[in-house]
Amino acid sequence: NAGVIQTPRHKVTGKGQEATLWCEPISGHSAVFWYRQTIVQGLEFLTYFRNQAPIDDSGMPKERFSAQMPNQSHSTLKIQSTQPQDSAVYLCASTGLGVQNTLYFGAGTRLSVL
Amino acid sequence: GEQVEQRPPHLSVREGDSAFITCTYTDPNSYYFFWYKQEPGASLQLLMKVFSSTEINEGQGFTVLLNKKDKRLSLNLTAAHPGDSAAYFCAVSAGGSNAKLTFGKGTKLSVKS
Repeated sequence: NAGVIQTPRHKVTGKGQEATLWCEPISGHSAVFWYRQTIVQGLEFLTYFRNQAPIDDSGMPKERFSAQMPNQSHSTLKIQSTQPQDSAVYLCASTGLGVQNTLYFGAGTRLSVL
Repeated sequence: GEQVEQRPPHLSVREGDSAFITCTYTDPNSYYFFWYKQEPGASLQLLMKVFSSTEINEGQGFTVLLNKKDKRLSLNLTAAHPGDSAAYFCAVSAGGSNAKLTFGKGTKLSVKS
């Protein structure tokens, strides 16, 4: 079991550019979560999918951020027109909901917006 | 929504001492409680998962206490060693149809030899 795989590990973008982050959940897991981690705000929930359907996107900034889960094997988080304040580590986690919500986290993508 | 406050944000102890971290939460319907450990540059690793029915949970070198009356979750690292140096995060979930975890802001623990 390779665990949750996130690519790329590091991404550097210029202000105004688009960034797409990828997540491959653990095989067989039915839910995928996205979190953002910064020193100041800590771990902030962004959105999650269950069986590929969006369930809760209450943490997503209303503009510029979008997430999709087109199939069981991957999810993407897209940030349009990136801004310096988007710089953070973006963490993806997956869980099989039958095991009481234990989230297994990927190594994260460190996004740096210059 | 749920809010989780974690203290202290930084903790420095000597090897062999205990390290005590506390989280308080607001949602009385919270049912699942977690402690995660994050080493520098690494992702979060599950330390322990606690159900609301169990007040005291023991792991290898640590104890987790849950006080539902006070809505407080605590992690006590007994006889800390340098390998315990990391950031520790508590997380809370109501479970069921609402599966998301709400995290505390973390405690950066430094264990000096």
